[in-house]
Amino acid sequence: RKEVEQDPGPFNVPEGATVAFNCTYSNSASQSFFWYRQDCRKEPKLLMSVYSSGNEDGRFTAQLNRASQYISLLIRDSKLSDSATYLCVVNFGNEKLTFGTGTRLTIIP
Amino acid sequence: DAGVIQSPRHEVTEMGQEVTLRCKPISGHDYLFWYRQTMMRGLELLIYFNNNVPIDDSGMPEDRFSAKMPNASFSTLKIQPSEPRDSAVYFCASSFGPGINSPLHFGNGTRLTVT
Repeated sequence: RKEVEQDPGPFNVPEGATVAFNCTYSNSASQSFFWYRQDCRKEPKLLMSVYSSGNEDGRFTAQLNRASQYISLLIRDSKLSDSATYLCVVNFGNEKLTFGTGTRLTIIP
Repeated sequence: DAGVIQSPRHEVTEMGQEVTLRCKPISGHDYLFWYRQTMMRGLELLIYFNNNVPIDDSGMPEDRFSAKMPNASFSTLKIQPSEPRDSAVYFCASSFGPGINSPLHFGNGTRLTVT
């Protein structure tokens, strides 16, 4: 079983819709969680950290469920510019970050 | 700030040749990470440095891979001899602290093709 698992998609969503995807992690001792975004043929960039109580940044909401060992990302009022691959990232209590293989999202006009 | 700079952007080489990838981290960043990205395996951490010292190289696939950081502004990842299965995008990233406390800043990557 992979340490960090994501549905690869693709998710094809009409503009303006709400989309959500989850990521599961294997180690209950995991300490820190993040979502990174990667555009096609570009480098990954930090989208947002995920806090225990859940957090929001504009149209983006991230949540953590420690009991079930998953994190989620919700995008409201999706824009064409949201089309990208979203990488779930987990720290397992050391200095390293483990990346999921990503969920590909395409927003359709 | 110029960001993390990697070179070359693309590298095409024949099996058996030596390949050297280069990285200049953001000034002031104490951590430097080398990642490899493929469709099948996603982003894999190969090695990381703290203050120019290699901390964890457990992700380096085999002895053909080596990495150095002779000073705070330069790092190399070398593959010798290269094999077709090494074909991937190699990213260098740097950060102020461990990735758990500060975001990773990635370079543009080097797309390596070994024929």
